[in-house]
Amino acid sequence: KNEVEQSPQNLTAQEGEFITINCSYSVGISALHWLQQHPGGGIVSLFMLSSGKKKHGRLIATINIQEKHSSLHITASHPRDSAVYICAPSGTYKYIFGTGTRLKVLA
Amino acid sequence: SQTIHQWPATLVQPVGSPLSLECTVEGTSNPNLYWYRQAAGRGLQLLFYSVGIGQISSEVPQNLSASRPQDRQFILSSKKLLLSDSGFYLCAWSVGGAYNEQFFGPGTRLTVL
Repeated sequence: KNEVEQSPQNLTAQEGEFITINCSYSVGISALHWLQQHPGGGIVSLFMLSSGKKKHGRLIATINIQEKHSSLHITASHPRDSAVYICAPSGTYKYIFGTGTRLKVLA
Repeated sequence: SQTIHQWPATLVQPVGSPLSLECTVEGTSNPNLYWYRQAAGRGLQLLFYSVGIGQISSEVPQNLSASRPQDRQFILSSKKLLLSDSGFYLCAWSVGGAYNEQFFGPGTRLTVL
């Protein structure tokens, strides 16, 4: 069993839909990161969470430390949100990467 | 503000040739530095990380090596490239500490023919 499980692996949505990506992990962590990888390969850090909930624009990330689970929500999805979203719990030095969720938002 | 540079952006090399990829960070001191590889259609794989000058930890046995000759410079090398070395190479930095948020460079796409 992988240390980090993401679901779904692939997701196609219509513009405007509410999207949820889930991440479960089995290791002890100091923080959990959500990353976005653009089609060209560049990676952007979206959120760093150690507890609770954070919101940036249309993106919301939550974490439940006791249940070892995090979710990334996108409200009012847009074609420019099309990317791979990666969950990455971290310890002191290293990330443990999830398999990624490939999101395609259709206009 | 901090900036991370990687070059070259794209590289095509023949099998058996040497490799040198460079990564530099500006605007911070004593960062943790990382090299990742992403094979086509696959996830990110940590290759090396460094917590200081001359300190390199290798994660996966392979045909590659890393060096950190200066505080904000991280170099990925190979003496003889293999076809399996093709991929997207990303450098990242962090300030370390408990949360260790990493910031990624633009990447180098390497094709070995």
